[in-house]
Amino acid sequence: QQPVQSPQAVILREGEDAVINCSSSKALYSVHWYRQKHGEAPVFLMILLKGGEQKGHEKISASFNEKKQQSSLYLTASQLSYSGTYFCGTERSGNTGKLIFGQGTTLQVKP
Amino acid sequence: DTEVTQTPKHLVMGMTNKKSLKCEQHMGHRAMYWYKQKAKKPPELMFVYSYEKLSINESVPSRFSPECPNSSLLNLHLHALQPEDSALYLCASSPNRDNFEGAFFGQGTRLTVV
Repeated sequence: QQPVQSPQAVILREGEDAVINCSSSKALYSVHWYRQKHGEAPVFLMILLKGGEQKGHEKISASFNEKKQQSSLYLTASQLSYSGTYFCGTERSGNTGKLIFGQGTTLQVKP
Repeated sequence: DTEVTQTPKHLVMGMTNKKSLKCEQHMGHRAMYWYKQKAKKPPELMFVYSYEKLSINESVPSRFSPECPNSSLLNLHLHALQPEDSALYLCASSPNRDNFEGAFFGQGTRLTVV
């Protein structure tokens, strides 16, 4: 079942902060975050596992609330390079490779 | 080498044609994936291969036939496609299916069925 992302779109000025949310109605094993720029491949940002472990890029932070099956991606002091579409992907069980992506959040950072 | 290479980049094919998409990685990854992405939509999982064996087929029509001839290569054979199959086809790989380090995506093959 596809996770739901909010908001659908965000417009920021450089230096502003943003939060992108991802929620599921089903129990999750992990949440993954990817960014895709127009005409490019998705790029891995972070994985959050139930139990609290997380791995990803140092400048990206995210949280995973297992009780609510929600994850949030925090983008602080945004830069122009942060522009793109952010997808969360969810796994309901481990070691399957079955990643289901949300519909995406488009982020535009303006000078 | 941290790349996933897909060929061709663009493909136009008729509904009666047979064509193949190719994906290659030399990172020693043992899990490989095919995704389909329509414009302004998220990638949709089609197939998962683990150690050269098909582990997930997301109810994909038989006109799409995947093949993993070795640990570095993944093919997607196409036959009798429909215009609605036109999309960006993305290949990805990860060290294994647990995805703890994320997946590397190729740039995709943009397929148009006429």
